Amino acid sequence: SAVISQKPSRDICQRGTSLTIQCQVDSQVTMMFWYRQQPGQSLTLIATANQGSEATYESGFVIDKFPISRPNLTFSTLTVSNMSPEDSSIYLCSVRGGEGRYGYTFGSGTRLTVV
Amino acid sequence: DAKTTQPPSMDCAEGRAANLPCNHSTISGNEYVYWYRQIHSQGPQYIIHGLKNNETNEMASLIITEDRKSSTLILPHATLRDTAVYYCIVRVPRDDKIIFGKGTRLHILP
Repeated sequence: SAVISQKPSRDICQRGTSLTIQCQVDSQVTMMFWYRQQPGQSLTLIATANQGSEATYESGFVIDKFPISRPNLTFSTLTVSNMSPEDSSIYLCSVRGGEGRYGYTFGSGTRLTVV
Repeated sequence: DAKTTQPPSMDCAEGRAANLPCNHSTISGNEYVYWYRQIHSQGPQYIIHGLKNNETNEMASLIITEDRKSSTLILPHATLRDTAVYYCIVRVPRDDKIIFGKGTRLHILP
């Protein structure tokens, strides 16, 4: 199954600043997915990132707030822009390709605290 | 919106079988049932999936009712390490994304 390395694992940021989260996969994958998990909540899909095209955002998420890059088939970044305390969450990337047919593998997440 | 309904929490004694129910009354004929779990501070982990037949692997068993409107995930001998949030998800395998519901928080009691 795919192995995902996500950086940073955690960060504390000042409001109004931006943080870029990196997701590196050990194999080439077509699609990468970014999720947000607010404290005590389930995972919410932010966007799907294809290599060579614009990311597709879910309802409630916009590119200006969460710009995504996908420069190649093994790497993606998610930026959380102009942060406020409401952005304090765990952010996870995911790829298709894991245990079980059609399974998905998730990174260990980035725990973001905005103060 | 998620297409499944799960109890918010359950307790199970260590060593006993943990049976986690899931209702998916609007499931389509080509949608599979997937189970993932999320242990605290980790990303979700795939457990098992099935279409209509019961399935078993080294982690768990999946029992799907004949009308496919509900299913049960069975952890045969629960340990403390099985304490996690368990998510039941229905989707067509070629779907590109997973939509998570609220899941069931399973507490394994020593």
